[in-house]
Amino acid sequence: DAKTTQPPSMDCAEGRAANLPCNHSTISGNEYVYWYRQIHSQGPQYIIHGLKNNETNEMASLIITEDRKSSTLILPHATLRDTAVYYCIVRLRSYNTDKLIFGTGTRLQVFP
Amino acid sequence: ETGVTQTPRHLVMGMTNKKSLKCEQHLGHNAMYWYKQSAKKPLELMFVYNFKEQTENNSVPSRFSPECPNSSHLFLHLHTLQPEDSALYLCASSQGVRDAEQFFGPGTRLTVL
Repeated sequence: DAKTTQPPSMDCAEGRAANLPCNHSTISGNEYVYWYRQIHSQGPQYIIHGLKNNETNEMASLIITEDRKSSTLILPHATLRDTAVYYCIVRLRSYNTDKLIFGTGTRLQVFP
Repeated sequence: ETGVTQTPRHLVMGMTNKKSLKCEQHLGHNAMYWYKQSAKKPLELMFVYNFKEQTENNSVPSRFSPECPNSSHLFLHLHTLQPEDSALYLCASSQGVRDAEQFFGPGTRLTVL
């Protein structure tokens, strides 16, 4: 399975955009990029996913480079409630079972 | 509130005890999962069930025994655990095993003495 590399921690001021990078240089053509986050003492929460094109939903935007070797999750206006560990996951879509392989993620601290 | 509930939220057990963790999803999903999250380690997938049938066992020791009586309920039966099994056990569900979004429960914090 492809692996991802994320910075262990980042800070962001409340109201500013949080840009969380992820490297996945060994990603294959049929592997999707997923983002989840885990707020302290809660289960992980799905944020967004994409294959090639940039994606946007009510929570965030996902920017995937043309060569697909890296991506950036953007929280446009970070709030204190966005403080969490953010996981970038490359997920192989296989015939039997797709698996989410979580790494250590990026701990995002949003400060007032 | 994700629609996935887990009980108990906290559990302390001795190494000779037998206990069970329960997960219930109210989302009409067909796939359910058990994950383990140890301190300072990434989440590890343990088991996958699809339409009540186990489709994945990620080399989990036999002292962990899953049960899926129907698509809405998932159990993890525990017996003769070790202190290193202390962790947060998370249940998740998705519409299908190939669905993009998994919904996670709040987890059961297990301590083995």
